[in-house]
Amino acid sequence: EDQVTQSPEALRLQEGESSSLNCSYTVSGLRGLFWYRQDPGKGPEFLFTLYSAGEEKEKERLKATLTKKESFLHITAPKPEDSATYLCAVQAYYKLSFGAGTTVTVRA
Amino acid sequence: GAVVSQHPSRVICKSGTSVKIECRSLDFQATTMFWYRQFPKQSLMLMATSNEGSKATYEQGVEKDKFLINHASLTLSTLTVTSAHPEDSSFYICSASAGDDYGYTFGSGTRLTVV
Repeated sequence: EDQVTQSPEALRLQEGESSSLNCSYTVSGLRGLFWYRQDPGKGPEFLFTLYSAGEEKEKERLKATLTKKESFLHITAPKPEDSATYLCAVQAYYKLSFGAGTTVTVRA
Repeated sequence: GAVVSQHPSRVICKSGTSVKIECRSLDFQATTMFWYRQFPKQSLMLMATSNEGSKATYEQGVEKDKFLINHASLTLSTLTVTSAHPEDSSFYICSASAGDDYGYTFGSGTRLTVV
């Protein structure tokens, strides 16, 4: 069975304090690893898809990396508007399996 | 970019009644739609997958007679919670995909409260 574990559960950062979120996974036949951002009471918003080990993608202050066993989401010099829950999901066959998420709070 | 519209965003219903939630892909044809349930501070749990014109495939433990899914067109899927009870109160989210190479776009979610 596919398993996705995210750590830490919660992360409190000062504005400008860079950090990383971890997503470790076990899946048979990874077709893609997805990162989403979810604000309270909203649906997930797509950030990145990674397909193979060694791949990296960036968007503004976010950078996602992928190895054969885990993915990292690096947040560089975060701002209060980066506060959200970040979800990691793996695709095997046609469906996604999600981790529990990391809730990031950035204080001004 | 791809947009999925989900309605209503919030609904309160009495125990024993049925509630319908709509999920529409606005600018693409969704060959596959997914319905998730999310409890507070927990992740998204897949309930069922539907392909246009076919019966939905339900995940283990999901009551297909309670959660009726219809995917009658390439842009519309509906989830009907039948004979709702307080334990059905949750956040329901739909997702749509145009195929493996197109990723997954999520709706904004529906907060269901059964009183």
